[in-house]
Amino acid sequence: QKEVEQDPGPLSVPEGAIVSLNCTYSNSAFQYFMWYRQYSRKGPELLMYTYSSGNKEDGRFTAQVDKSSKYISLFIRDSQPSDSATYLCAMSLTGNQFYFGTGTSLTVIP
Amino acid sequence: GAVVSQHPSWVICKSGTSVKIECRSLDFQATTMFWYRQFPKQSLMLMATSNEGSKATYEQGVEKDKFLINHASLTLSTLTVTSAHPEDSSFYICSGGGAADTQYFGPGTRLTVL
Repeated sequence: QKEVEQDPGPLSVPEGAIVSLNCTYSNSAFQYFMWYRQYSRKGPELLMYTYSSGNKEDGRFTAQVDKSSKYISLFIRDSQPSDSATYLCAMSLTGNQFYFGTGTSLTVIP
Repeated sequence: GAVVSQHPSWVICKSGTSVKIECRSLDFQATTMFWYRQFPKQSLMLMATSNEGSKATYEQGVEKDKFLINHASLTLSTLTVTSAHPEDSSFYICSGGGAADTQYFGPGTRLTVL
């Protein structure tokens, strides 16, 4: 069983839609939960970071962590074509060694 | 945010040769850096932890004699793929910094072994 599971998609939505991205994990000791955005052949860029459980909002992005269900989510409101990218969830015990999901490819259609 | 650079960004080599990839922290000191590998349509997989002034620690299944890591200074870690083979073709990414939201990733190095 992989440490982190993520539906690879691809996911295609119309501009303005609400996007929901999800990951599940198996290691209950994970404390740090991140969402990264990655463009083709580039390194990941941090979008959202949550420590332990709870919700976090930043502009159009909301991250949720449910440790009891071992489930994290990223919501993108009012999606834009510029949001088209691959979104990676990542988790960590220590805060610096990360376990990544496979990434979900998102396309927002104008 | 802080900047991590990698060099080269893209390298093509013949099977059996060795390739060195550099990872530099440009505006911070990194006692620890991490090396990841990403195959097409797959997740980034942690390969090893690079420790300044000491031996690297490798994840299970990663051959330490094949992937040599040297962290000679607080701003530079190198990954050398020795006797590269086509199955080593991948996207190699390093990271450095502090914890979680201050861990920065390099732009990656695409290795193609012919």
